[in-house]
Amino acid sequence: GDSVTQMEGPVTLSEEAFLTINCTYTATGYPSLFWYVQYPGEGLQLLLKATKADDKGSNKGFEATYRKETTSFHLEKGSVQVSDSAVYFCALKGSSNTGKLIFGQGTTLQVKP
Amino acid sequence: ETGVTQTPRHLVMGMTNKKSLKCEQHLGHNAMYWYKQSAKKPLELMFVYSLEERVENNSVPSRFSPECPNSSHLFLHLHTLQPEDSALYLCASSQDGGGPGSDTQYFGPGTRLTVL
Repeated sequence: GDSVTQMEGPVTLSEEAFLTINCTYTATGYPSLFWYVQYPGEGLQLLLKATKADDKGSNKGFEATYRKETTSFHLEKGSVQVSDSAVYFCALKGSSNTGKLIFGQGTTLQVKP
Repeated sequence: ETGVTQTPRHLVMGMTNKKSLKCEQHLGHNAMYWYKQSAKKPLELMFVYSLEERVENNSVPSRFSPECPNSSHLFLHLHTLQPEDSALYLCASSQDGGGPGSDTQYFGPGTRLTVL
């Protein structure tokens, strides 16, 4: 079945460092791919998404490119801030129309001043 | 109110209590979801409702009983829970059936449930 694998956390960075959180997926057909972020004490918020190969999703300085050849959707940010500290979830929605999202296990990011 | 709201935000209950979690979406969506988020586990999809019909039930114990009276409201009725049911329960909604934005689920802030 469909699945999503994220890099293990926590990831600890200093402010202004470059961020990469790896995400790879297994799916049949052409899934849509998402990154969600969960700040402490809150629910999940959509960060960005891409719906077809080679699409780049971007928001708040974060980017991720849908790479079908490597089945990856890595999240990147050029300069992280303390306020980016949160848990990041990669997810996919399969090409059927059930609406079901498959989530990775989440990666905790800690940014220190 | 905008987006997806959930009440209560925190709930403590004994194993013999009966309580309900409420979710309301103000986005005009036609599908709603319950997820369970436990520490150190991936998000678990519990139930999916599309057009007020339950379309998915992921082997959830019968002590969890969902109800979707209309496309804007979703409830999760709880009875005789176990301590291992303590978790963050998240509600989400989406617009199913294709079209722009139909892939995206929007989440509420969750209800933090503690079962004593």
